[in-house]
Amino acid sequence: GIQVEQSPPDLILQEGANSTLRCNFSDSVNNLQWFHQNPWGQLINLFYIPSGTKQNGRLSATTVATERYSLLYISSSQTTDSGVYFCAVEYTGRRALTFGSGTRLQVQP
Amino acid sequence: DAGVIQSPRHEVTEMGQEVTLRCKPISGHNSLFWYRQTMMRGLELLIYFNNNVPIDDSGMPEDRFSAKMPNASFSTLKIQPSEPRDSAVYFCASSRGRRLGSPDTQYFGPGTRLTVL
Repeated sequence: GIQVEQSPPDLILQEGANSTLRCNFSDSVNNLQWFHQNPWGQLINLFYIPSGTKQNGRLSATTVATERYSLLYISSSQTTDSGVYFCAVEYTGRRALTFGSGTRLQVQP
Repeated sequence: DAGVIQSPRHEVTEMGQEVTLRCKPISGHNSLFWYRQTMMRGLELLIYFNNNVPIDDSGMPEDRFSAKMPNASFSTLKIQPSEPRDSAVYFCASSRGRRLGSPDTQYFGPGTRLTVL
């Protein structure tokens, strides 16, 4: 099956700082989603982004499908951004998502 | 829309008991997924349905696990008998179920935290 690797595994930021999270995948994908799992365990959709760039407020994401990676940018981080960020992909022939191991982000006041 | 609804939110049971988890997908969604999250294995697919038919159950751990989708608005995941290693958070997700290769975002429910003593 496809391999999904996320980096860094852990990240500590001061409030107001910017960060970039990376997701590498080992094969062509039809779908790529970024999720935020908040401290209560809820998985929240951030982006559906199999290719290209999207922005939503302080968050933006870019996927370069030909080079098999995606980046999630968080600008002016806030304490509410804390949690785990997951990248998940759907590869050819399989509808279900394969998840990376996540990046645990802690934003300190 | 209410989103994906799961019940119960928390379940504590003793080893050997039967456990049934329930899911109501978003109205109009044709695909439904069950995922499990553990510290050791992360988030992994158990089974998914398209138009109420199981398509891929390769992630179902063993015969103790079974899943059904009797209609478009309801699915169950049953564990019988339960074991302590089944303790995990079980998520249900749904999507519109467009054909493979077409955009199809999955939306997740709040999860059921299962503890088997």
